[in-house]
Amino acid sequence: AQSVTQLGSHVSVSEGALVLLRCNYSSSVPPYLFWYVQYPNQGLQLLLKYTSAATLVKGINGFEAEFKKSETSFHLTKPSAHMSDAAEYFCAVSNNAGNMLTFGGGTRLMVKP
Amino acid sequence: NAGVTQTPKFQVLKTGQSMTLQCAQDMNHNSMYWYRQDPGMGLRLIYYSASEGTTDKGEVPNGYNVSRLNKREFSLRLESAAPSQTSVYFCASSPEARAGLNYGYTFGSGTRLTVV
Repeated sequence: AQSVTQLGSHVSVSEGALVLLRCNYSSSVPPYLFWYVQYPNQGLQLLLKYTSAATLVKGINGFEAEFKKSETSFHLTKPSAHMSDAAEYFCAVSNNAGNMLTFGGGTRLMVKP
Repeated sequence: NAGVTQTPKFQVLKTGQSMTLQCAQDMNHNSMYWYRQDPGMGLRLIYYSASEGTTDKGEVPNGYNVSRLNKREFSLRLESAAPSQTSVYFCASSPEARAGLNYGYTFGSGTRLTVV
């Protein structure tokens, strides 16, 4: 069975600083991996997804993630944080049947002025 | 551009009461899902419907039932609510669910349920 671990339930950065949110997965088959963002009192929005086409995936709002098979990681980065990036971020992995996403526990990103 | 619509947005129930959470999507998606979100636990799958006429259990199905009424609608029913079912419930949909393919999901804005 697949699983996802997000290191750090809370991450705080200054505006303009690098954002790094960590995600490690376990999967017995080549995975489909996703990052979602959740703003307060809203549903989850898809930021980006990895589907084996390219290891560096670019998403919306300047975010990107790199798939590293040797490290079983799919960390999310953004070069320069903006106040509007403050939200909760979820990493997810799909099962091979394509009918289930397993989510990590989430990381709340806080951006300080 | 409605996407996935959930009703109600908020609900307070007494222990033992029943209720149905409604979900409808207008994107002609085949697959629909119900998740619950609890602090520190991410989202956990309750039930899903890969296509109209089919439903399957997810990770945490106990205490819930679902109905895929038609291609657009997928409802979640709590027959006898318990405090442990206090959570935020999300409905999601995707074009399809099959091996080797996952488009990702479109989520509704959630239903915040409190059971007292």
